[in-house]
Amino acid sequence: NAGVMQNPRHLVRRRGQEARLRCSPMKGHSHVYWYRQLPEEGLKFMVYLQKENIIDESGMPKERFSAEFPKEGPSILRIQQVVRGDSAAYFCASSTARGGYTFGSGTRLTVV
Amino acid sequence: GIQVEQSPPDLILQEGANSTLRCNFSDSVNNLQWFHQNPWGQLINLFYIPSGTKQNGRLSATTVATERYSLLYISSSQTTDSGVYFCAVQGGSEKLVFGKGTKLTVNP
Repeated sequence: NAGVMQNPRHLVRRRGQEARLRCSPMKGHSHVYWYRQLPEEGLKFMVYLQKENIIDESGMPKERFSAEFPKEGPSILRIQQVVRGDSAAYFCASSTARGGYTFGSGTRLTVV
Repeated sequence: GIQVEQSPPDLILQEGANSTLRCNFSDSVNNLQWFHQNPWGQLINLFYIPSGTKQNGRLSATTVATERYSLLYISSSQTTDSGVYFCAVQGGSEKLVFGKGTKLTVNP
């Protein structure tokens, strides 16, 4: 069991470009969550997805951010027209319906 | 929503010392987890402990759900224990709510 796999580990984008972050959940996990960690802060919830459904996106910024978890393939967090304030570590977690989160190693996004 | 407070915010120890980290939460929870974020940023799950006591080597954790707190004990600390320790809880919704963490520095 490879755990929660995130890629890329590091991503550098210029202002105005798009960032696509990928997350493959643990085998057998059907729930995926995205969290953002700003420097020197704790993790903040962004979105909770199950296959082909967004369950809770209360932590997602209203503009430029979107997430999906298709029937096949990894979950994708997409940030359009990135700005410097989007620079952060983005963590993905997965769980079963019973709970107990496992986190990936994160993607560190730097906007230059 | 649920509030999570961790204390102390910073802790500096000499190698070999013991420590206790505390997590208070404002409402009943279905899930509580302790995580260690190492200096490379990786988030390691230490304990899934909505109630009771668990031990794993030099680390142990106790959650008293009725009094809304959890404690993480680190014994005989090592330099590799350095990093940030996060408590996170899950209440009525699916999302985990994180505290701000305790930054631990263990000096040789």
